[in-house]
Amino acid sequence: EAGVVQSPRYKIIEKKQPVAFWCNPISGHNTLYWYRQNLGQGPELLIRYENEEAVDDSQLPKDRFSAERLKGVDSTLKIQPAELGDSAVYLCASSLDFATGDAGELFFGEGSRLTVL
Amino acid sequence: AQSVTQLGSHVSVSEGALVLLRCNYSSSVPPYLFWYVQYPNQGLQLLLKYTTGATLVKGINGFEAEFKKSETSFHLTKPSAHMSDAAEYFCAVTAYNTDKLIFGTGTRLQVFP
Repeated sequence: EAGVVQSPRYKIIEKKQPVAFWCNPISGHNTLYWYRQNLGQGPELLIRYENEEAVDDSQLPKDRFSAERLKGVDSTLKIQPAELGDSAVYLCASSLDFATGDAGELFFGEGSRLTVL
Repeated sequence: AQSVTQLGSHVSVSEGALVLLRCNYSSSVPPYLFWYVQYPNQGLQLLLKYTTGATLVKGINGFEAEFKKSETSFHLTKPSAHMSDAAEYFCAVTAYNTDKLIFGTGTRLQVFP
């Protein structure tokens, strides 16, 4: 079974430039998450999708960050314009519907490491 | 509100020694507790989880953790460390009716030969 696939693995940009990250979750997983992991910290949730619907985006900086999950499968996270403080690893994860009892059991991709110069 | 505190950002042990990684939680509702492991340049992988029932839970790679409500703890242990256990370990908490994981800041485990 294929895992969560993310691209690109690494991205270096100058501040004020746009950047986008792509994620393809595990087949059949309805829930998709974007987390940000700063150096030396644990992951922090940016946004959670149930199918196409963003059910929790309270931590997403909406002035510069946007996300979409068209057709309820793969997802894109965009930053425009990027700032120095956005340097981090952006992790995508997916899970089955937590109503099935698998709450908290997330499957993570390898992450996209962003460096903003 | 929920939170977890991991005591010790770095833990070093010799190969074959006991591994003990500490995690304390705070939750106003019955918690679900998790340990995730992150190997270098990889995503996080679930080691084990506690939801309800038996308080001692066993996970992959010989790790186990015990839920102690009286101590609000969920420490991770392994009787004998292996070089391949070197990684970052994250404790996490969520509530039974939500799917929002709150992660700790992580503990980096080093294993020396």
